[in-house]
Amino acid sequence: EVQLVESGGGLVKPGSSLKLSCVASGFTFSSYGMHWIRQAPKKGLEWIALIYYDSSNKYYADSVKGRFTISRDNSKNTLYLEMNSLRSEDTAMYYCAKGAHYWGQGVMVTVSS
Amino acid sequence: DIQMTQSPSSMSASLGDRVTITCQASQDIGNNLIWFQQKPGKSPRPMIYYATNLANGVPSRFSGSRSGSDYSLTISSLESEDMADYHCLQYKQYPWTFGGGTKLELK
Repeated sequence: EVQLVESGGGLVKPGSSLKLSCVASGFTFSSYGMHWIRQAPKKGLEWIALIYYDSSNKYYADSVKGRFTISRDNSKNTLYLEMNSLRSEDTAMYYCAKGAHYWGQGVMVTVSS
Repeated sequence: DIQMTQSPSSMSASLGDRVTITCQASQDIGNNLIWFQQKPGKSPRPMIYYATNLANGVPSRFSGSRSGSDYSLTISSLESEDMADYHCLQYKQYPWTFGGGTKLELK
């Protein structure tokens, strides 16, 4: 059974940094591209980043390009999202996803002074 | 970027009604579209993939169709457990883009 478990969220001030983690199990993590997708409170879904299975390619939404970095450690079956220069509009539930079919339960990030 | 225009943004319907939600793609996405159901406090659940294919475990009252650049999710006979938010996603090209969502409520 595919399982994705996010962690690392919390309340932070504007301009600060945070690093999210997503531990994967139930599949060969090193064989699949992985995504981060977020959802602001009472809003729609926004895809924000993709990393290839071997980290050879990364893609970002314009809204986070240059501030967020997606990475992975295949030896630890773990996906990361490093978020810098956080803004109030980054407040959202952050999901990791394997393809578009398997999603974690999400982790909340709140950016507020 | 490909824009996905989803309608309606909200709707109310009665049990047993036939309900249709639509997403219009601004560019050709082929059949690279997924419909999700999302209930409060939960992650999105894939319902329909590749525009017309029912995901595992999804009741047969759900169906997906395509007409040109318009993609539809239909619930043939609404049940109480279907009250949720619904989202479409195009995965033809990056950035992936979602429709704005539809909130389905009981009348």
